[in-house]
Amino acid sequence: DVKVTQSSRYLVKRTGEKVFLECVQDMDHENMFWYRQDPGLGLRLIYFSYDVKMKEKGDIPEGYSVSREKKERFSLILESASTNQTSMYLCASTFVGGGANVLTFGAGSRLTVL
Amino acid sequence: GESVGLHLPTLSVQEGDNSIINCAYSNSASDYFIWYKQESGKGPQFIIDIRSNMDKRQGQRVTVLLNKTVKHLSLQIAATQPGDSAVYFCAENSGGSNYKLTFGKGTLLTVNP
Repeated sequence: DVKVTQSSRYLVKRTGEKVFLECVQDMDHENMFWYRQDPGLGLRLIYFSYDVKMKEKGDIPEGYSVSREKKERFSLILESASTNQTSMYLCASTFVGGGANVLTFGAGSRLTVL
Repeated sequence: GESVGLHLPTLSVQEGDNSIINCAYSNSASDYFIWYKQESGKGPQFIIDIRSNMDKRQGQRVTVLLNKTVKHLSLQIAATQPGDSAVYFCAENSGGSNYKLTFGKGTLLTVNP
């Protein structure tokens, strides 16, 4: 089975801190995604990457950046965390040619910014 | 069913009953729809999908119905079990990249034993 692993399940940070959320997948998928999940708002796409060093903005990229230096790893970066970035963050991956139905999600990283 | 707002719609059913979860989608150009299930502490998992040239698709204990006239999607779960308790999301792909989905707000299904 494809495994998408998010290294931190729970994080508590202070306003202004730099935050790294790491995601690793073990099935050689080309495409990786970061979503944000908030109650009543569903999942919203922050950024996605279709290849190493390639990235595209999703629907809510403001306040975030990403890094994809290796195929298996996709990092989400909050340069200066703010309280409105308190949320559940979900990483997902899929292979080229795989449709959206084969998005495999990690278990999520719940970030609290104080 | 799903709706705009900050509160998650909920559906509570008895074990063994059939469940129907509804979703209103936004884009009449959407050509592909998916239902995901998210259990507590886990990421969303694919349940079933349907293309816009179909109006019904069946899986194991699940059926998805698509009504393009009113932009409505539903997920029917037969003989609901406690393990079906989860948040259910619909998602639509409005064309272009297959990966840029618009997700619904989610519906919390609780199955009472």
